[in-house]
Amino acid sequence: KNEVEQSPQNLTAQEGEFITINCSYSVGISALHWLQQHPGGGIVSLFMLSSGKKKHGRLIATINIQEKHSSLHITASHPRDSAVYICAAYNNNDMRFGAGTRLTVKP
Amino acid sequence: SQTIHQWPATLVQPVGSPLSLECTVEGTSNPNLYWYRQAAGRGLQLLFYSVGIGQISSEVPQNLSASRPQDRQFILSSKKLLLSDSGFYLCAWSVPVPSAYSPLHFGNGTRLTVT
Repeated sequence: KNEVEQSPQNLTAQEGEFITINCSYSVGISALHWLQQHPGGGIVSLFMLSSGKKKHGRLIATINIQEKHSSLHITASHPRDSAVYICAAYNNNDMRFGAGTRLTVKP
Repeated sequence: SQTIHQWPATLVQPVGSPLSLECTVEGTSNPNLYWYRQAAGRGLQLLFYSVGIGQISSEVPQNLSASRPQDRQFILSSKKLLLSDSGFYLCAWSVPVPSAYSPLHFGNGTRLTVT
């Protein structure tokens, strides 16, 4: 079993839909990192959080430390949101990555 | 502002040939530097990280090596490539004092195909 599990693996949505991507981890962490990998391969950091919730534009990330679970939400999804979203559990300069969720938003 | 450059973007090499991928960071001093590999359909795997010139830590025993000849330069090498070395290689940096709140900043990656 992977230390960081993401679901779903693939997600197709219509433009405007509310998106949720889930991440569960089995390791102890000091923070959880959400990354966005564009079709060309480049990766951008979206959020790093250790408790509660963070919001940036249409993106919202939440984490429940007790349940070892985090979610990434996208409101009013748009085709430009199409990408692979990766969560990573961080502890003591060690980061464990999920396999990613491939999101496709259709116009 | 800080920027990270990684090249080449794509590379096709025959089995047994050498490899050299280069990564440079601008706009910061003494960064932590990382090499990751992403195999097809799989998550990111840390290969090497460096906290300073000449200081390299290897996470996974393999056919690859890394060097940091200058503060902001990180090189991934191989003397003889294997088919299994094919994948997407990403360089990343973080601030010198890592903490839970230090995000990683990634380069655009190199897609390596070993034929």
